[in-house]
Amino acid sequence: GESVGLHLPTLSVQEGDNSIINCAYSNSASDYFIWYKQESGKGPQFIIDIRSNMDKRQGQRVTVLLNKTVKHLSLQIAATQPGDSAVYFCAEKGRYGGGFKTIFGAGTRLFVKA
Amino acid sequence: DVKVTQSSRYLVKRTGEKVFLECVQDMDHENMFWYRQDPGLGLRLIYFSYDVKMKEKGDIPEGYSVSREKKERFSLILESASTNQTSMYLCASSPWDIYSNQPQHFGDGTRLSIL
Repeated sequence: GESVGLHLPTLSVQEGDNSIINCAYSNSASDYFIWYKQESGKGPQFIIDIRSNMDKRQGQRVTVLLNKTVKHLSLQIAATQPGDSAVYFCAEKGRYGGGFKTIFGAGTRLFVKA
Repeated sequence: DVKVTQSSRYLVKRTGEKVFLECVQDMDHENMFWYRQDPGLGLRLIYFSYDVKMKEKGDIPEGYSVSREKKERFSLILESASTNQTSMYLCASSPWDIYSNQPQHFGDGTRLSIL
């Protein structure tokens, strides 16, 4: 069915540690995946994306890993900072029925402890 | 940077009123979207548009309509507001991406309360 889920609703990490946020998806036909960050009072902000022909993609302090075998996506944030505190959610785009659709997960709230 | 601007950050309206939410993007994007965001439910697509005067229903179009008279502007209309339409409304835009995937870019949202 259509679903993009999250393993943990909240994640608390110590400043300076690495954070890993996980996401499961169910549509094996999905071929494009995006991570967004949403700070309080703001709209979702694009962080990084990955296409299904890749397993890993790196940005500035962030890495996205895609495991198509188990339909799992993760976002790794290196040296987590207080400014990283936000809700993170994944999205997948794939063919649903006669067209393409983007499905968003509900989000994981990341708390960074100083 | 892509700029998606929603006309109001907070809006309070009464049941039965006709409500207009406005969204403008400055990147000449073909696609524009309206979502509502409710706790624990993620983003749910209300309507989207891939060109001027074109519109397509999303997952929850009931009680809503849209208008796209100009490429940069996409309006969401609540025909007769009800309390169950109290929510955060997010507008997004993206380039035409049938041949290559592109992320959607979001505005900061309008928190709408219907009393």
